[in-house]
Amino acid sequence: GAVVSQHPSWVICKSGTSVKIECRSLDFQATTMFWYRQFPKQSLMLMATSNEGSKATYEQGVEKDKFLINHASLTLSTLTVTSAHPEDSSFYICSAPPAQTNEKLFFGSGTQLSVL
Amino acid sequence: GENVEQHPSTLSVQEGDSAVIKCTYSDSASNYFPWYKQELGKGPQLIIDIRSNVGEKKDQRIAVTLNKTAKHFSLHITETQPEDSAVYFCAGYTGTASKLTFGTGTRLQVTL
Repeated sequence: GAVVSQHPSWVICKSGTSVKIECRSLDFQATTMFWYRQFPKQSLMLMATSNEGSKATYEQGVEKDKFLINHASLTLSTLTVTSAHPEDSSFYICSAPPAQTNEKLFFGSGTQLSVL
Repeated sequence: GENVEQHPSTLSVQEGDSAVIKCTYSDSASNYFPWYKQELGKGPQLIIDIRSNVGEKKDQRIAVTLNKTAKHFSLHITETQPEDSAVYFCAGYTGTASKLTFGTGTRLQVTL
């Protein structure tokens, strides 16, 4: 199966600092990647769609200036949480479709962000 | 947009018994329905999927059924084992929106 690698697995940061999360497709190229956020005991909420070589598409209610997405290559997308605050603490998960269509997604292992 | 509802939210079964999780969707244009298993602190893992032109699909102890008319699909796990304990998510994919919509999840506990 397709492998999506996500780093770091967990990060603790101080309020006001920025945190970068990386998502890599290891054995396939992905022109599109998806970033999700998950609160404890809740479902996955799509934050944004990362598009290689162009701007990301953000879901309604997601601040694009706070959650910066860069998809500079066909195998790497990054999510930067800028000026993090305790309410940004959450589990962030990326995913990518190995095929041309976006239906079959493979997920990274997730990043637990804790903002103190 | 698509809305996917999932039931039950929690399910406890004894080892060896079967477990069934049900989902309904709202968008008749949805044509792909995957199921994911998520263990604590990990990302979701695709375990089985079904397309709208198929009514049933089986892979060893897991199976998925789809009723397009009623707009519902179900996950069946037979001969459950403790390692099946996890949170399971259903999802529906609509080509027009080009994204997956997830259900609310079912926490399955398999007891000895």
